Amino acid sequence: AQTVTQSQPEMSVQEAETVTLSCTYDTSESDYYLFWYKQPPSRQMILVIRQEAYKQQNATENRFSVNFQKAAKSFSLKISDSQLGDAAMYFCAYRDNDMRFGAGTRLTVKP
Amino acid sequence: DTEVTQTPKHLVMGMTNKKSLKCEQHMGHRAMYWYKQKAKKPPELMFVYSYEKLSINESVPSRFSPECPNSSLLNLHLHALQPEDSALYLCASTTGETSLNEQFFGPGTRLTVL
Repeated sequence: AQTVTQSQPEMSVQEAETVTLSCTYDTSESDYYLFWYKQPPSRQMILVIRQEAYKQQNATENRFSVNFQKAAKSFSLKISDSQLGDAAMYFCAYRDNDMRFGAGTRLTVKP
Repeated sequence: DTEVTQTPKHLVMGMTNKKSLKCEQHMGHRAMYWYKQKAKKPPELMFVYSYEKLSINESVPSRFSPECPNSSLLNLHLHALQPEDSALYLCASTTGETSLNEQFFGPGTRLTVL
């Protein structure tokens, strides 16, 4: 079974600084997608960024970018110029047929 | 419309009550999901509907009964729940069960069982 591991239960970053959240996964598939979801406290889970496994180029969405290392099965999220609104639980997710979530990383942004 | 809506937002029920959660999407998605999420934990898959047919039931107790009346609606009927069933119940949808696209999540229903 595919597993997704987020080894950082909590992270903290100073406003305007950069933070990287780690994610590793285990799979024998070659075709899959990877996602980072953000879930603010008591608010909706929304997609931050996605990466297709067949694409070598790392995905970027404004201040959010990923470092996708397919051979290492690593998919980290970098948040640049952190803002107070970035504070949330961040879930890494893997999908081939099923969607598998990591345990989550709680990000705190300090003003 | 790129939204998944869920009603009610909050629900408090006793262990003998019968209630229903509702989920709706108008994105033409053909796969819809129910997840249960405990505080500070990732969502746990409960059910998957594909083309209005139940395709996955993750060994969920029978006190949870899903229903998909049409391609836009998904219900979760609740009966004789236990206090440990208190959680955030999330609905999600995607283009198709075998699609690799992202799932769109609703805001959830926060359920408290007394």
